[in-house]
Amino acid sequence: NAGVTQTPKFRILKIGQSMTLQCTQDMNHNYMYWYRQDPGMGLKLIYYSVGAGITDKGEVPNGYNVSRSTTEDFPLRLELAAPSQTSVYFCASSSGLAHNEQFFGPGTRLTVL
Amino acid sequence: KQEVTQIPAALSVPEGENLVLNCSFTDSAIYNLQWFRQDPGKGLTSLLLIQSSQREQTSGRLNASLDKSSGRSTLYIAASQPGDSATYLCAVRHGDNYGQNFVFGPGTRLSVLP
Repeated sequence: NAGVTQTPKFRILKIGQSMTLQCTQDMNHNYMYWYRQDPGMGLKLIYYSVGAGITDKGEVPNGYNVSRSTTEDFPLRLELAAPSQTSVYFCASSSGLAHNEQFFGPGTRLTVL
Repeated sequence: KQEVTQIPAALSVPEGENLVLNCSFTDSAIYNLQWFRQDPGKGLTSLLLIQSSQREQTSGRLNASLDKSSGRSTLYIAASQPGDSATYLCAVRHGDNYGQNFVFGPGTRLSVLP
């Protein structure tokens, strides 16, 4: 099992550009999550999904969009990049059962200039 | 709203010391609490998961305890080693309007000096 994979590892964007951060998991997990981590801060939830076709906003969804067409993939879209979106983005998954843990991808470091 | 804090923000200890990291949460209605390790520039690695009905979990030199009623968890690291240097985050799984999602603390940055 590869677990949770994310691409790209690093990216620099100009203000106003758009991009998609890819996330794939091979554990057949129903729940998937996108977090951002700013320096010295904990992770904040951007969006989450409880299964294919179902997504919902987390704590900081503004400026982002997601889709979940398959169980495996959960891409995060930035439409008009802003400097405030400079952060490290983590994708995670879990089986969704209350007692189960989350598994994290390696992260994407995004800089918006 | 669930809030998670971790004290201290940073800790530096000599190799071989036993140490305790603290995690506090404001709402005791949690499903579980998970401790993670994060190395610089890397993702999060799960260390221990404690269910709401449990008091502690152990893995090797690590022991995590949970006191739901007081909103506290501790991570005890025995005989620390330089390889333990990392940031340690705790997260509570909370059943609120966001569904069964985690709320993270800001982390404790640990340095173990040779």
